Amino acid sequence: DGGITQSPKYLFRKEGQNVTLSCEQNLNHDAMYWYRQDPGQGLRLIYYSQIVNDFQKGDIAEGYSVSREKKESFPLTVTSAQKNPTAFYLCASSIDLSREWANYGYTFGSGTRLTVV
Amino acid sequence: AQKVTQAQTEISVVEKEDVTLDCVYETRDTTYYLFWYKQPPSGELVFLIRRNSFDEQNEISGRYSWNFQKSTSSFNFTITASQVVDSAVYFCALSEFTGANSKLTFGKGITLSVRP
Repeated sequence: DGGITQSPKYLFRKEGQNVTLSCEQNLNHDAMYWYRQDPGQGLRLIYYSQIVNDFQKGDIAEGYSVSREKKESFPLTVTSAQKNPTAFYLCASSIDLSREWANYGYTFGSGTRLTVV
Repeated sequence: AQKVTQAQTEISVVEKEDVTLDCVYETRDTTYYLFWYKQPPSGELVFLIRRNSFDEQNEISGRYSWNFQKSTSSFNFTITASQVVDSAVYFCALSEFTGANSKLTFGKGITLSVRP
């Protein structure tokens, strides 16, 4: 079955370390997104990518970096510059935004819960 | 800028009660899309419904129904005869369709607890 796989499900990071969250999709979707979820805050957009080798900052990109070398993969690195990284991170994908995107919305992964220790 | 407000933060009901989740949005565009997603305890967001700004017909899907009113910028979600399995966080989301730059803006979510 097609879907989005996020790994790991739980991740612990020490202060000052960079960590990378994995997101892989086999839906042949063009666009991919990273959201951060904090209690009572809803989902906030970190980065998104519409095509390979291109990505744009979302609303809260500071302290994060991404790459899009392959259509299927959109890893997120939480750098030491992110002062409060403890949160639940969700990856999503959608088909070409210029076509029938709105009929399907996004498909989400099951998330990675990152905790700073 | 677009904005989604879900004023209710937590709702608790007893099984078989009806419950309505409110969603109010703000946008300057005439073409936009509204969504509802369900987030069960597992964490994954599940797509429930999409509605475009030109379609104000209400929709019913089993125990779920949605009421879209452009005059009040609202897109409310009603669960009839709630069940324990409906317990989850529900998000309303808005997207202005500007082609390649479209992205979803989410409300803060409503935590629904259905007690047996």
